[in-house]
Amino acid sequence: AQSVTQPDIHITVSEGASLELRCNYSYGATPYLFWYVQSPGQGLQLLLKYFSGDTLVQGIKGFEAEFKRSQSSFNLRKPSVHWSDAAEYFCAVRGSTLGRLYFGRGTQLTVWP
Amino acid sequence: EAGVVQSPRYKIIEKKQPVAFWCNPISGHNTLYWYLQNLGQGPELLIRYENEEAVDDSQLPKDRFSAERLKGVDSTLKIQPAELGDSAVYLCASSLGGTGSPMNTEAFFGQGTRLTVV
Repeated sequence: AQSVTQPDIHITVSEGASLELRCNYSYGATPYLFWYVQSPGQGLQLLLKYFSGDTLVQGIKGFEAEFKRSQSSFNLRKPSVHWSDAAEYFCAVRGSTLGRLYFGRGTQLTVWP
Repeated sequence: EAGVVQSPRYKIIEKKQPVAFWCNPISGHNTLYWYLQNLGQGPELLIRYENEEAVDDSQLPKDRFSAERLKGVDSTLKIQPAELGDSAVYLCASSLGGTGSPMNTEAFFGQGTRLTVV
């Protein structure tokens, strides 16, 4: 079975500081991995995705994530956080080209001015 | 290009009443998903359609929930009767679908319908 763990429910950072959101997945083969962002009252917006190839993937809004097979992780990073990055972030996994996404419970990001 | 459109955005109903949600996916997208998002949780799949066919509905509580996707475009999700525990956000998503490149499976989400059952 596929599953995703986001160990941090809530993270607070100062504007301009670096950010890393953790994500661990459970899946037997190479998964398809995603990070989504959700602002209050909004749907989910795709930040980036990993299917294969280079394990460091670049996304929108200056985000990047690194796939580490040995650690079953796909952590999201940003070198300098902006106040507008405050939102909820979801990591998701899919085990095949078709099929459902399995989401983590999300990490709420608060940005101090 | 318009994204995934859901209506209504908000709905408040009394328990035991019926309720329906509507979703219009991105034009040309064959795959349509309905997800349930409880407060403080990530979305969970209720049902997935490939064109008109429901290919994954194992998580849909069929005693009270039903869904349809006539003509393989718009979709409606219904709850009858609603219970207090159904209060949540109902998200619709769509993707190109089909076999082949995983790029076709990127899911685009609507803004959701927030249901409150009182």
